[in-house]
Amino acid sequence: SQKIEQNSEALNIQEGKTATLTCNYTNYSPAYLQWYRQDPGRGPVFLLLIRENEKEKRKERLKVTFDTTLKQSLFHITASQPADSATYLCALARGGNEKLTFGTGTRLTIIP
Amino acid sequence: EADIYQTPRYLVIGTGKKITLECSQTMGHDKMYWYQQDPGMELHLIHYSYGVNSTEKGDLSSESTVSRIRTEHFPLTLESARPSHTSQYLCASSESHRHEQYFGPGTRLTVT
Repeated sequence: SQKIEQNSEALNIQEGKTATLTCNYTNYSPAYLQWYRQDPGRGPVFLLLIRENEKEKRKERLKVTFDTTLKQSLFHITASQPADSATYLCALARGGNEKLTFGTGTRLTIIP
Repeated sequence: EADIYQTPRYLVIGTGKKITLECSQTMGHDKMYWYQQDPGMELHLIHYSYGVNSTEKGDLSSESTVSRIRTEHFPLTLESARPSHTSQYLCASSESHRHEQYFGPGTRLTVT
């Protein structure tokens, strides 16, 4: 079965810097990979999706890269703000109708 | 903001009781999911449905059951609650041809 590892349980970044979160997977190469944000006591919120044939995707201050050779996705938040503090989850699926497998997440704290 | 609702938000109940966790969405999504998440852990899929009268068990074995009689409604039932069922239960939905999932706020269940 697919295993997902997200870097360090917690990451502290100074406000204004770029936060970089890592998602590594084993076994099969997913058809697409997603990133979600989860605040305490709430459900995850979808942020970005990147497909296996895409190298990079951007949305405002967010950027996701996908390297199928390294079996890794990087999630960047530029000009980070305290409001970006949350747990960020990586999720992937083998194909269109396949179920998502989630990582345990990285808890990001932006320090003012 | 996604229109997916879960009730109750919090539930404390004694062992042996029957409970139903409600999930409704107003987006007309065909696909719906139930996940179980313990603190600091990844989401585990316990049930999913690709449409009315379609339900399947997820990757994590669960003693709960689900039904999908209407597109917008996907309730989860535990016939006899046990302390091991204590967890957060998250409901999600997605469109047929899109992969991003929209999550409800979750139900925090505690069985004493």
